Amino acid sequence: NAGVMQNPRHLVRRRGQEARLRCSPMKGHSHVYWYRQLPEEGLKFMVYLQKENIIDESGMPKERFSAEFPKEGPSILRIQQVVRGDSAAYFCASSPGQGSNYYTFGSGTRLTVV
Amino acid sequence: GESVGLHLPTLSVQEGDNSIINCAYSNSASDYFIWYKQESGKGPQFIIDIRSNMDKRQGQRVTVLLNKTVKHLSLQIAATQPGDSAVYFCAENGSQGGSEKLVFGKGTKLTVNP
Repeated sequence: NAGVMQNPRHLVRRRGQEARLRCSPMKGHSHVYWYRQLPEEGLKFMVYLQKENIIDESGMPKERFSAEFPKEGPSILRIQQVVRGDSAAYFCASSPGQGSNYYTFGSGTRLTVV
Repeated sequence: GESVGLHLPTLSVQEGDNSIINCAYSNSASDYFIWYKQESGKGPQFIIDIRSNMDKRQGQRVTVLLNKTVKHLSLQIAATQPGDSAVYFCAENGSQGGSEKLVFGKGTKLTVNP
């Protein structure tokens, strides 16, 4: 039973390019959460999704960032026109939902903008 | 702003000693708390959790204490080992408005000296 799978593990983008980060939740988990972690800091909530629905995007920047969790396939966090300040580790977590507090985190994608 | 924070950013202990990592939270309505361990280059790993109707919970070598009066949470690690070296985060289930997101503190870096 694979855990939460994130890819790529490392991503380098030039300023102005697009970054696409993927997250496949654990089998049986229908809730996905994205968090961002800057160096030497804690994880900051970005967005909470269920299949085909965004439940809470209160932590998402208003511009350039978007997330989806389609009926089929992984959840995608997209960052358009990346800037150096977007460099961070992006973690995905999944849970079964239905009031469960059982979260499992992936290993993260480390985005570097050059 | 952050609703969960930590008193000390770093903690250094000798192998075999007990470690205590502290956390303060500000949301008195929080009803669920989790401690995570994060090793370098990895995602957060669940250690132990506690609900607000409890004041103590024990696991293998770890104990979490919750003091709701002063909104304080602590993680005790018994007989600390070199493998315990990591950054430890407390997290609160920010269950407002139906969202099940976690709110993380900044973390305490634990170093275990042989």
